[in-house]
Parts: sequence; C-alpha cells; structure tokens
Amino acid sequence: SQQGEEDPQALSIQEGENATMNCSYKTSINNLQWYRQNSGRGLVHLILIRSNEREKHSGRLRVTLDTSKKSSSLLITASRAADTASYFCATRAGYSTLTFGKGTMLLVSP
Amino acid sequence: EAGVTQSPTHLIKTRGQQATLRCSPISGHTSVYWYQQALGLGLQFLLWYDEGEERNRGNFPPRFSGRQFPNYSSELNVNALELEDSALYLCASSSARHRDEQYFGPGTRLTVT
Repeated sequence: SQQGEEDPQALSIQEGENATMNCSYKTSINNLQWYRQNSGRGLVHLILIRSNEREKHSGRLRVTLDTSKKSSSLLITASRAADTASYFCATRAGYSTLTFGKGTMLLVSP
Repeated sequence: EAGVTQSPTHLIKTRGQQATLRCSPISGHTSVYWYQQALGLGLQFLLWYDEGEERNRGNFPPRFSGRQFPNYSSELNVNALELEDSALYLCASSSARHRDEQYFGPGTRLTVT
C-alpha cells in the first residue's frame, strides 16, 4: 500500500509561476524525500528533510514538513518549462525501505 | 562517475516466459533496490539487496526473484510472466552510509504480450 499520497494528481502552470505539491503520509517517519521523474525515466533525488526539521531549501525548491499533520509540501519557485516532470514523495520509517506515493504530474507551459 | 545502469532498455516477452533484468550500481554503492512502476500505480518496492543478501521484499509473488553478485550488480528475474507484469522496472543504488539517498537508473521497460 502507498505510504505517501501526493496532491494534486496533476498541475498545469505558466513559466514564472510557483508550483506547490503536497504529500500526506500515514505512519511516523525518519525522513521524507522528494524525487523528480522526467517522462517515464529514472528518478532524480531532489531533497531530503528529516523528521526533526520543519523547512529546507535547495535552489528554487522549498520543502516543509509538518509531522503533527503527517504532511509535506514542495514549492518550486519561478518555474521553468524544464521543470515539467512527475514529482514523488518518499518516506522511510525505521529500518524499512522507501515507500513512494503515486506522484504529481507538473506541466509548465512557456 | 558513472551512474546506475540498467539493461536492456526495452524487453518484450510473451505471457508465460521468463524475463531477466540487470542493474549495475554506482561504484562504491553496496545496496541495490528494485521497483516496479506500472501505469497509474506509482512505484512499488520489489526487492532490496545489500552485500549480496536479500534484506527486504515487497508484496510481490515468489515468481519475482533476484540476486546480487560479488561486484554488487544485480539481476531481477520474473518467471511465468503475466500481462500485468508490463511496467517500467527501476533499479536504484545507495551507499551503506547514506542509505536514504537512492540513485536511480533509467529503467527497463518490460512489455508482456
């Protein structure tokens, strides 16, 4: 079963706008990660946030984590056409392996 | 530094046949993970190998099996193929020290007809 659930399933925006994707999960976690996948290819690791962190930045990416609500958000600022991809959150609890959500498809139009 | 590589890129098999998929991890990585990405189902964890041993297994039938070789490369075998096995199979690797950060290969697209 999926641990993480991304919302929305799909998002379409114009270049320069910000994109926000959300992820909810069910059990306590050690950390939460976001990955990007371009058109059915391999996933690329974007950012990891630990359970004791609330916010993390990496370039145009901003990730927040609210463990009380069991949710995380990924914000991509000043989006570009090259940001068009599917974005997945992944969680790890204890010694388990990563559990991925179904992803959010982001389309950035020029 | 070379990334994770997978072969073949595409594989077309007939129902009932067997498929073998291969993965080479990043140099220095000892863990290899296999995932199935079927249409509309997201990534489903299949298998985790570390130091040649199977460490964890997802909720898949026994006809999905694999192994890890002394050079840390890995094979995924799928026996008695079913139409529902058609999917993108992704391999990832990680180091023992940074197991949370997985690096993915480009995947093998398996089509069962």
